Order: sequence, then C-alpha cells, then structure tokens
Amino acid sequence: QKEVEQNSGPLSVPEGAIASLNCTYSDRVSQSFFWYRQYSGKSPELIMSIYSNGDKEDGRFTAQLNKASQYVSLLIRDSQPSDSATYLCAVTSFSGGYNKLIFGAGTRLAVHP
Amino acid sequence: DAGVIQSPRHEVTEMGQEVTLRCKPISGHDYLFWYRQTMMRGLELLIYFNNNVPIDDSGMPEDRFSAKMPNASFSTLKIQPSEPRDSAVYFCASSPDRAFSGYTFGSGTRLTVV
Repeated sequence: QKEVEQNSGPLSVPEGAIASLNCTYSDRVSQSFFWYRQYSGKSPELIMSIYSNGDKEDGRFTAQLNKASQYVSLLIRDSQPSDSATYLCAVTSFSGGYNKLIFGAGTRLAVHP
Repeated sequence: DAGVIQSPRHEVTEMGQEVTLRCKPISGHDYLFWYRQTMMRGLELLIYFNNNVPIDDSGMPEDRFSAKMPNASFSTLKIQPSEPRDSAVYFCASSPDRAFSGYTFGSGTRLTVV
C-alpha cells in the first residue's frame, strides 16, 4: 500500500472554476502536511502547509485536513491557466526514530481558458 | 540566499560510467535529502542526512548508489556503474528543522544514461 495516494489526473477545469485536489495517507501519526506545486521541467515548490484539523486559507488556496479520515485536500479558487501544473501532496512519516517527508505521485491539473 | 544549488543541471553518460551529482544546501539547514523522480515512480526519497550524518538510506536502490556529506555545505550522490534505468531527475532538498516547514528543493539534475 502506498503511503500517500493521489489521483494522477489530469484534472481539467475551466478558468475561474474551483479545482479540488485530494490526498489520502496511511500513517495515522503523521503530524505535518504539505502541498507542493511542480511546473513541467521545474522543481517542486511549497504552496501550503497544514498541521491541525480544519481549513487553512492563503489567497486563492485553501488546504483542508481531516486526520480521522486521513485525508488532506487543496482547493484552488478562481483557477487560472497559470495554475496548470502537477500538485504533490507530502506527509511526514515517523519511523526508526526519525521524521521523513513522503510524497504522493501528484495530480496533474489543467486549467483551460 | 541562493537556495539549494545542484550541479550539473544535465548529465548524459554511457552505461557503466561513474556519475557524481552535487548539492549545496541552504546555509543553516541541518537536513539534506536526495530524491529521484520518474514518471513511473514519482518522487522517491533515496537518503537523508542530519548534521552531515546519514540517517535513513533505505531508499537507496542498490549498492551502485552511494551518498556522502563531508561537511554542512556539500553533498554528493554517486552512481557507479550507471545503468539506463537510472535515468531520472535527481533532486536535492534541504530543511532547517525536522518539521520540514522550510523544505526547499534544488533545480534538479536530469540524468540520462545511454
């Protein structure tokens, strides 16, 4: 079983719509959750972090966390063509006495004009 | 700060050759990570260091891969001998703490083994 699972997509949404990206994780004791955006040919860049249950908003982005369901999501409001990228969910995993960051395979988002 | 610096950006080598990838983490970041990214397997953690000490190398695919961090500002990932299936983008990342709140990736090295 993969530790962090995401739908690979592509998720296609029209410009101006809300894009909803989902992620589930297997480690019940995970404490920190991140969303990274990766443009084609570029490195991942951090766009959101969330540590407690509920919603966290930053501009057009909202991260949602439900630890009981082991589920984290990212909403992008007023989607723009420039948001077209692969979105990676990352979750901390504690094993062997150390924390490490585990990434999902990513969801490709395509925003069309 | 210049961010995490990786070199080279691109590397093309023949099967059987030794390949060395280099990384300079952000100053003050105590954690350094090497990842490999492919279409098939996504972003895989290969190894990570804390204060220059290897902590978890369970992701290193086989003995052909080795990584070192001789000081706080430099790390290498070596593949010897290289094989075509090693072709991927290799990322280095660094973090100031174990919460990974400031986790930053380098630009990556695109390795092609022919």
